[in-house]
Amino acid sequence: DQQVKQNSPSLSVQEGRISILNCDYTNSMFDYFLWYKKYPAEGPTFLISISSIKDKNEDGRFTVFLNKSAKHLSLHIVPSQPGDSAVYFCAVRSYGGSQGNLIFGKGTKLSVKP
Amino acid sequence: DVKVTQSSRYLVKRTGEKVFLECVQDMDHENMFWYRQDPGLGLRLIYFSYDVKMKEKGDIPEGYSVSREKKERFSLILESASTNQTSMYLCASRRAGATEAFFGQGTRLTVV
Repeated sequence: DQQVKQNSPSLSVQEGRISILNCDYTNSMFDYFLWYKKYPAEGPTFLISISSIKDKNEDGRFTVFLNKSAKHLSLHIVPSQPGDSAVYFCAVRSYGGSQGNLIFGKGTKLSVKP
Repeated sequence: DVKVTQSSRYLVKRTGEKVFLECVQDMDHENMFWYRQDPGLGLRLIYFSYDVKMKEKGDIPEGYSVSREKKERFSLILESASTNQTSMYLCASRRAGATEAFFGQGTRLTVV
């Protein structure tokens, strides 16, 4: 069963508008939540993260919101730019037996149109 | 800057071949990971290693093995390549206790 769900496979947004990418998770014991961005034929690059003890973290145009009661995470990009077009993966750090691996969602493909 | 380098960007192998995918990181990270990425399935963890000679199975270890003889190098081995192992393979490394992992550029493997 999926522990990290990104229910929207794709999202299209006009340049300058807000992009909102969503992620749901199942386990309340996850301690860190991350967003990665991936261009075709490249490895994912880390964007932003948030600890489970916070509800918001901001870095420039990127803000991540965490709603623990709803087990929901979102990434806001404001304003969206064409260069933001990529696949965005939500990930959680899981504390298991060995220092916690990263569990990824299936990704959301964002297209920002000029 | 952290650098994670995968030995090949593109590989084409025949069914039944033994395939080695190599990954090297230069930041003395304890943890290293191998994922595969497939359309509609996201990134799935194959194996990870939290230190030298240590390894643990991820979600999809069948048909794969790994080797970590030195801290900077983590190898993924396809014992007998099959067409369903055609995929993008991604290596990552992370300092022990840290949150984010750093990825290599990926290896696009095609098994024919």
